[in-house]
Amino acid sequence: DVKVTQSSRYLVKRTGEKVFLECVQDMDHENMFWYRQDPGLGLRLIYFSYDVKMKEKGDIPEGYSVSREKKERFSLILESASTNQTSMYLCASSTAGTRKSPLHFGNGTRLTVT
Amino acid sequence: GEDVEQSLFLSVREGDSSVINCTYTDSSSTYLYWYKQEPGAGLQLLTYIFSNMDMKQDQRLTVLLNKKDKHLSLRIADTQTGDSAIYFCAEIGMDSSYKLIFGSGTRLLVRP
Repeated sequence: DVKVTQSSRYLVKRTGEKVFLECVQDMDHENMFWYRQDPGLGLRLIYFSYDVKMKEKGDIPEGYSVSREKKERFSLILESASTNQTSMYLCASSTAGTRKSPLHFGNGTRLTVT
Repeated sequence: GEDVEQSLFLSVREGDSSVINCTYTDSSSTYLYWYKQEPGAGLQLLTYIFSNMDMKQDQRLTVLLNKKDKHLSLRIADTQTGDSAIYFCAEIGMDSSYKLIFGSGTRLLVRP
């Protein structure tokens, strides 16, 4: 069974702090994604990666960066956290090559920036 | 750009059928998906339909696709309290290999 693990369920950070959200998948998936989920807005794609060291911007990349040094790990970085980045962050992974390949999601990290 | 819309809330009585609706704008959509999110969890794929199909049935779930109207629905027969969750519609177009566009989610509440 595919497992996508996000390192923290809840995180509280102060404005201006550098924040790292970590995600690990155990199924050798090529694709990994970071979404943020806000009430009434659904899921919005921040960044995705289709291979090690490869990344592409999603719909809302401003204020975020990512790192994919190993295939199983995809990190989301908030360079200087702001209160409008308070949200639920969801990591997902999928296999490459077919559009019907489902996304497998982690349980999410709820980040509060004060 | 592409957009996917859903109503925000649906309440049904246990044992009744639930119908969750979704509309999308991307006429090049190839696959359309339904995901379920239970409280405190990530999203789980429920089912998907390819754009050349009109209907797909999987146990209690029936997906109907009206490609002309760009309308997708998910029917849950004999709805149970365990079906209470947020249901997301998502689509992926011909031009995108990776990027799913999600709706805002429909919160389904099943009353005993």
